[in-house]
Amino acid sequence: SAVISQKPSRDICQRGTSLTIQCQVDSQVTMMFWYRQQPGQSLTLIATANQGSEATYESGFVIDKFPISRPNLTFSTLTVSNMSPEDSSIYLCSGAYRDFTEAFFGQGTRLTVV
Amino acid sequence: GENVEQHPSTLSVQEGDSAVIKCTYSDSASNYFPWYKQELGKRPQLIIDIRSNVGEKKDQRIAVTLNKTAKHFSLHITETQPEDSAVYFCAASQTGTASKLTFGTGTRLQVTL
Repeated sequence: SAVISQKPSRDICQRGTSLTIQCQVDSQVTMMFWYRQQPGQSLTLIATANQGSEATYESGFVIDKFPISRPNLTFSTLTVSNMSPEDSSIYLCSGAYRDFTEAFFGQGTRLTVV
Repeated sequence: GENVEQHPSTLSVQEGDSAVIKCTYSDSASNYFPWYKQELGKRPQLIIDIRSNVGEKKDQRIAVTLNKTAKHFSLHITETQPEDSAVYFCAASQTGTASKLTFGTGTRLQVTL
């Protein structure tokens, strides 16, 4: 299994600012993903982080708002840009190996925008 | 895109009873169906999964059934225990892997003594 660490674990940010969330995996996972989970709600896939190239975004999510980097197989960042209160949510990093189906999740970053 | 509906949204059972959570999916191309358990304030964790070429899978007290014709799958927990209390999410993917998972809306299971 993979151990996924995220930081920060939580933050309170002013509207209009940006926050970068870091995700570190303890082994070289093939795939990395970013999800959003609003309190008490389900998980929604934001994008697949691709090593060394642009992330693949899901419908409703754009690179200008959620720029993602993945410089190597074990590290990725998600930036939430120009934040508004509607961005208040939990952001989860996830990783998976190519030949296995289990997706491992980080502990999440609880973001509050005021 | 894929849409996954999950019912019920909340479920309360007495310890020792069985619990059943049902999900339906919209895209017949979906071929991988995991179930995740999320305890309060913790990360989701995979508890069981099933592929489209299998109708049922069991792991101790947990089982999942899949009906491809009807496009629905269910989680069955027998002999429930208080530590089973959590939110359970079903999900579906067309890739056969954990990529591009579409999650259901979640079921909050409460096991009472």
